[in-house]
Amino acid sequence: DAKTTQPTSMDCAEGRAANLPCNHSTISGNEYVYWYRQIHSQGPQYIIHGLKNNETNEMASLIITEDRKSSTLILPHATLRDTAVYYCIVSTGNQFYFGTGTSLTVIP
Amino acid sequence: GAVVSQHPSRVICKSGTSVKIECRSLDFQATTMFWYRQFPKKSLMLMATSNEGSKATYEQGVEKDKFLINHASLTLSTLTVTSAHPEDSSFYICSARGGRTLGEQYFGPGTRLTVT
Repeated sequence: DAKTTQPTSMDCAEGRAANLPCNHSTISGNEYVYWYRQIHSQGPQYIIHGLKNNETNEMASLIITEDRKSSTLILPHATLRDTAVYYCIVSTGNQFYFGTGTSLTVIP
Repeated sequence: GAVVSQHPSRVICKSGTSVKIECRSLDFQATTMFWYRQFPKKSLMLMATSNEGSKATYEQGVEKDKFLINHASLTLSTLTVTSAHPEDSSFYICSARGGRTLGEQYFGPGTRLTVT
């Protein structure tokens, strides 16, 4: 079963930062936090993942709280193409159990 | 990033027939592949985990005799839906692991199955 809780939906203005929260209060010490997104009728796309430290790549930044019970995915300058369902997953690196995700709509 | 393909992208079949879906890792060797099912407006549901050269491990509630999985090589896994019924109509997605990064899964584009 999914071990994450995310808001059902969010809106973000184009060009602004999109901050997507995720709660994972029961995360284990050996579990990573992964973020994927799914654009309608496509397979999920990898965004970023982390264990303890904050991470940044060309797509996004991942902020993990010190107690690791929650995290935030940051899309620094949202574009219309970032409209998608964003999934936060905790996993040891084996199976992924998807939660309901957050449907992000970027508004022009 | 690593590329995973699926074939076919769409398939329509008659009730009672079997359908095979292929999942290929194109530029890396996938030691493990996963099969998911997604109903409209729902999240992905893990069906099974497939390791190359061994039997697949099915999630609770997934019928192994109905959803046959074969992972014969490090780049190919197949899912066969046997004796398909309309309720099997769904979006089937595979993923593969074995790239550079620990645990990271690369997903295929999905296969839309419609059973009439």
